[in-house]
Formats: sequence, C-alpha cells, structure tokens
Amino acid sequence: DTAVSQTPKYLVTQMGNDKSIKCEQNLGHDTMYWYKQDSKKFLKIMFSYNNKELIINETVPNRFSPKSPDKAHLNLHINSLELGDSAVYFCASSKSQGEGEQFFGPGTRLTVL
Amino acid sequence: SQKIEQNSEALNIQEGKTATLTCNYTNYSPAYLQWYRQDPGRGPVFLLLIRENEKEKRKERLKVTFDTTLKQSLFHITASQPADSATYLCALARNTDKLIFGTGTRLQVFP
Repeated sequence: DTAVSQTPKYLVTQMGNDKSIKCEQNLGHDTMYWYKQDSKKFLKIMFSYNNKELIINETVPNRFSPKSPDKAHLNLHINSLELGDSAVYFCASSKSQGEGEQFFGPGTRLTVL
Repeated sequence: SQKIEQNSEALNIQEGKTATLTCNYTNYSPAYLQWYRQDPGRGPVFLLLIRENEKEKRKERLKVTFDTTLKQSLFHITASQPADSATYLCALARNTDKLIFGTGTRLQVFP
C-alpha cells in the first residue's frame, strides 16, 4: 500500500533526450510537489500543484513541464536533457496547500550521460 | 535571500547518548518548522512539526525546540540507537508558502 509512488526508480539517458517521470499518491491529498535533490543532498522545490492547478513554479528551465491529469497524479516531463539535470527527483504530497506534513515518494535517480 | 543552515559535518555519537542537531535560519520568518529523516536511497520521512508560537514539541524520544528570537531550532534524540543513524533535514515555511529545506545533518550512532 505505497502512499506516494514514482516510476521509474532509475533513469539513465543520453543528453538531448526527452524523458518523463510519473508520480501517483493514494492518500487523497489535494497538493502534490516535485523536488530536485542534487549531489550535495540539497532538496529544492520545483513545482507544486493544488487540485490539478499549478501554484508554485520555481525558476526552473522551461524544459521541465509538469502535468497533473487528476489530483492523484503529477508527472514531470523533461525535454532536451542536460548533464546538469542529473539528480534525484522526489514527488511529494500533502493534505492541502501549506498543510504541514509532506509525504515523499522513493525518488527517481536520473543520470544524464 | 533566505538561508537555512544545518551542521554540515556529520555528527557521530555513542549509543545511549542524546544527539542534538541544529537548524539556523536567516532572512526569514517561518510560520512553522519541520524535521524530516532521510535514509540513503529513500525519500524524506516527516518526524515533527513545530509552530512559531510553540517553544517545544515532543514525540517519544524526539524533542524539538523553536526559538524565533535566535532564529534557531534544536532537534534532540534521547537514548540514541544505531537505527537512528540517518540524515536529518529541517524545513521551514510560511503557512501556504513553499517548504524550504536545509542541507541536512548526517547522524551516525555507534554501538
């Protein structure tokens, strides 16, 4: 009964490719997030959606495009991958916007060669 | 811009002792502060939340303090165990605003 799941767990790809990471939560939460954790373990928010509506969009290159088909899913599509995109990407959810505790997925380790 | 600092060095302590981790912040007035635990290869797991009007919060062997004058939170694990070894992250937010994470402190508890 995984609360927040992500696929794939690992993603290895060449520079210039386009890839997607999928996220699903079965907690009935309204708000979902994408975070990036770099090699120094610094966790930084990228996007946040509340009930399928984009509410936070940090200064992320527009090669990154989130999509929320429904409030249980938040996918991340990345175009024209670059070396610097290599990181671990975490999806998370919370009951509502700003409602304290966030539940994180297991992460997707993206390696761009 | 906001800055959140945690002990960058790993904290090594002996089993049974109390581990104390520090989170300092500048240029920010958070409404609440959270602590998360992260094990290698896994996502962060929520531990405790403390609001700006609370001085202290406890949960089992965990205790968090929040001093908005010093702009500091202390996270204590009493009677530490090797299973407590992990990276601990503090995170701050202003109500509906985004969570801003610190860089984390790696705790190693030796038997």
